[in-house]
Amino acid sequence: DAKTTQPTSMDCAEGRAANLPCNHSTISGNEYVYWYRQIHSQGPQYIIHGLKNNETNEMASLIITEDRKSSTLILPHATLRDTAVYYCIVRLSYSSNTGKLIFGQGTTLQVKP
Amino acid sequence: EAGVAQSPRYKIIEKRQSVAFWCNPISGHATLYWYQQILGQGPKLLIQFQNNGVVDDSQLPKDRFSAERLKGVDSTLKIQPAKLEDSAVYLCASRAGGRGNSPLHFGNGTRLTVT
Repeated sequence: DAKTTQPTSMDCAEGRAANLPCNHSTISGNEYVYWYRQIHSQGPQYIIHGLKNNETNEMASLIITEDRKSSTLILPHATLRDTAVYYCIVRLSYSSNTGKLIFGQGTTLQVKP
Repeated sequence: EAGVAQSPRYKIIEKRQSVAFWCNPISGHATLYWYQQILGQGPKLLIQFQNNGVVDDSQLPKDRFSAERLKGVDSTLKIQPAKLEDSAVYLCASRAGGRGNSPLHFGNGTRLTVT
């Protein structure tokens, strides 16, 4: 699985959009980008995933660059409850591997009032 | 749907003692994972089951850790004997195997402290 690089920490004002970047320059054509977050004392929570196209769900939007070497997770209106560690993970499609996720250090997002 | 259930939530033991953790995955999920998360780090995969068979246990310290998934549903992870460095959160996750890129769903983990 390709390696990802994320900033160690970020701050965001409550009510503003939080934009979390992720670099995955060695991503291959059949690898998906997944985002999870982990709120203190809880297990990781799935947010969103994508392959090539931008994706949006009720939690967030995922923007993947055309060359697929980087992506951005966007939380449109951050709240204090969005304070968490955010993990960007690149994973092979299920047909090619066991479906496991390999976590890095993630980005600690602090939403401030 | 009910999430992944884990118990106990917290456990404190002395080194060289044994301990067991239990996981009940989401109903119908064929694939089950155990992860270890040391404070300040991302989760690390220990073992993966597909139904009741082991798919990947390459990162499991087999001299002291064991896991089983009887009948392809619940799973237990055991440590015997425990060491101080085993202090961590043990996370269980499951996914609906065979559905392409279905995401993993995690429980809230068991926090183990070895003294």
